[in-house]
Order: sequence, then structure tokens, then C-alpha cells
Amino acid sequence: GAVVSQHPSWVICKSGTSVKIECRSLDFQATTMFWYRQFPKQSLMLMATSNEGSKATYEQGVEKDKFLINHASLTLSTLTVTSAHPEDSSFYICSAGQGLVSEQYFGPGTRLTVT
Amino acid sequence: ELKVEQNPLFLSMQEGKNYTIYCNYSTTSDRLYWYRQDPGKSLESLFVLLSNGAVKQEGRLMASLDTKARLSTLHITAAVHDLSATYFCAVDRYNYGQNFVFGPGTRLSVLP
Repeated sequence: GAVVSQHPSWVICKSGTSVKIECRSLDFQATTMFWYRQFPKQSLMLMATSNEGSKATYEQGVEKDKFLINHASLTLSTLTVTSAHPEDSSFYICSAGQGLVSEQYFGPGTRLTVT
Repeated sequence: ELKVEQNPLFLSMQEGKNYTIYCNYSTTSDRLYWYRQDPGKSLESLFVLLSNGAVKQEGRLMASLDTKARLSTLHITAAVHDLSATYFCAVDRYNYGQNFVFGPGTRLSVLP
């Protein structure tokens, strides 16, 4: 089956710094990837849709200047949390599919802790 | 705006018992997905339901979809401890794949 990886799997950073999270589709090409955030004991909330070669589409309430998304190739999307604050601490999960008629394959997630 | 609800949110059941988790959604969609999440882990795909009346079974779990009622069920048969996890349903917002709205999750605990 299709595999999606994320790196790093966990990261601790200091308040005010920036953190980059990578999402890769390992054995398929993904024109669209999705970024979700999950707070403890809560559901997944879609943050943005990452489109290869164009700007990301952000969900309402998500600050696009804070969560920078770049989809530079058909196998890589990155999420950069800029000027991180403790409230940004969360589990970030990406997903990708193989086309419009496809299920999503989820990455293993990245746990971000901002101190 | 698409809203997805699950019922119950918490479920504690004994091994060997049967139970059903319900997933309701508010707008028309023909695509619904079920996922399992273990603590600290990402999502594991369980079922992909792509049409009205779809029914799929895997082991002790069976999922169905009624698009007219905007309802999906996840039925657990003869529960075992290994099924303890959080179960999410997700609805395809635009009905053409990939843009999901998740339900709040059902935290299942199967007791010996």
C-alpha cells in the first residue's frame, strides 16, 4: 500500500523559534497533500490543503503567515510553524492520496512541543 | 458547513459483547471513512465506504453507510481487548476525495 512519511516524528523547540515538518509520499506522487492538527484527546482538524506548484488553501481560522506550507514536488510538502508558541504544541499529521478517487494515506505524525 | 457527529464518545464494554458506534453527518456525501487511532499514534485505515448501502467487514468489525439517512455504523462483534482504541469517522466534504471532516472520535475500552 501507499506510504506517507513524516520527519521529524517529534520535536521540542523554544518559544519564538520556527520549526519545519516534512511530509513525503514514498511510493506514489501526490498533487495534493493535507495537513491536520490534533490536540490531546481531540479529533483531527484540517489546517490546510497543500497543492503542488501553487499556494496552499487554508481553513478558516488558520493563520497562513504562521503556518507556512510549501509543496515543492509531487512527493514532498513542508509545514513550517513560525514564531512558535506553547499553544502551538500539538500532534501534526499529514495525508496524501493518489488522485481524486482515492483514500487518504496518513503519515505517522509529528509531535511538536514548544517550551 | 459539514458537521460530523459520533455516538457514543466514550464506550466501555466487556470482552465478548457486541456494540455499534454511530456516525451522523449534516450534508450530502457519498464517501465515508473509518479510522482507528491508538494512543500516541497516527491513523490506521479501517474501511472506505463509497456508495449508499456499502457494507464492509474485517474481522470483528463491520461498517455500513446509508447516504440517505446520512448515517454510518461501525459494529463490533464479540469485542476483544485488542480493539481498545479511538475510532474516527471522516466524511469527504466535497464528495470527490480527500478533503475530510472528522468526527470527534469514540474512545473504546474493552475490559476483560
